[in-house]
Amino acid sequence: DAKTTQPNSMESNEEEPVHLPCNHSTISGTDYIHWYRQLPSQGPEYVIHGLTSNVNNRMASLAIAEDRKSSTLILHRATLRDAAVYYCILRDRPYGGATNKLIFGTGTLLAVQP
Amino acid sequence: DAGVTQSPTHLIKTRGQQVTLRCSPKSGHDTVSWYQQALGQGPQFIFQYYEEEERQRGNFPDRFSGHQFPNYSSELNVNALLLGDSALYLCASSGLAGVSDTQYFGPGTRLTVL
Repeated sequence: DAKTTQPNSMESNEEEPVHLPCNHSTISGTDYIHWYRQLPSQGPEYVIHGLTSNVNNRMASLAIAEDRKSSTLILHRATLRDAAVYYCILRDRPYGGATNKLIFGTGTLLAVQP
Repeated sequence: DAGVTQSPTHLIKTRGQQVTLRCSPKSGHDTVSWYQQALGQGPQFIFQYYEEEERQRGNFPDRFSGHQFPNYSSELNVNALLLGDSALYLCASSGLAGVSDTQYFGPGTRLTVL
């Protein structure tokens, strides 16, 4: 299974943009890049995903490097409610079939200061 | 529309006992995955159920077993509990929609083994 590498923790100030990096040098051609986040005392929640092109949704933007070996989750204006652990995940898809197993690392703990 | 629900929220057991955790998927979802999350770690995939069958399994011993019912709800059973089984157990549901389908997580069941 392809692995991802993220910083253990990051800090941001409220109302400022946050760029959360993720390295995935062994990504395969069919791996989608997913981001989930886990707020305190809750289960993980989906944030965004992409394959090759940059993606935007109401929560965040995902910038994917041209060689796909790294990506960056962008929160345009961090709020206190964005304080969470952010997981960068490559969706595992075994040859010959589809599965949506998620392989989590330890993620990045984002602290947002008022 | 109710999301993923899990019961109970908390559970305390002693070593050697057996436990059953329950999960109801989000409306319209037919696939249920179970994850174990130890303190300070990311969730680890246990197994996934679709059409009442175990489709894929992570690196967990046979003490961990599951079941999916015709209404798509699911149970996770753990036999011969060990201290190391203390963790947050997360259930996630999804539709079998291909490589980019999103998983929706419940709030989890916190299991403490004494």
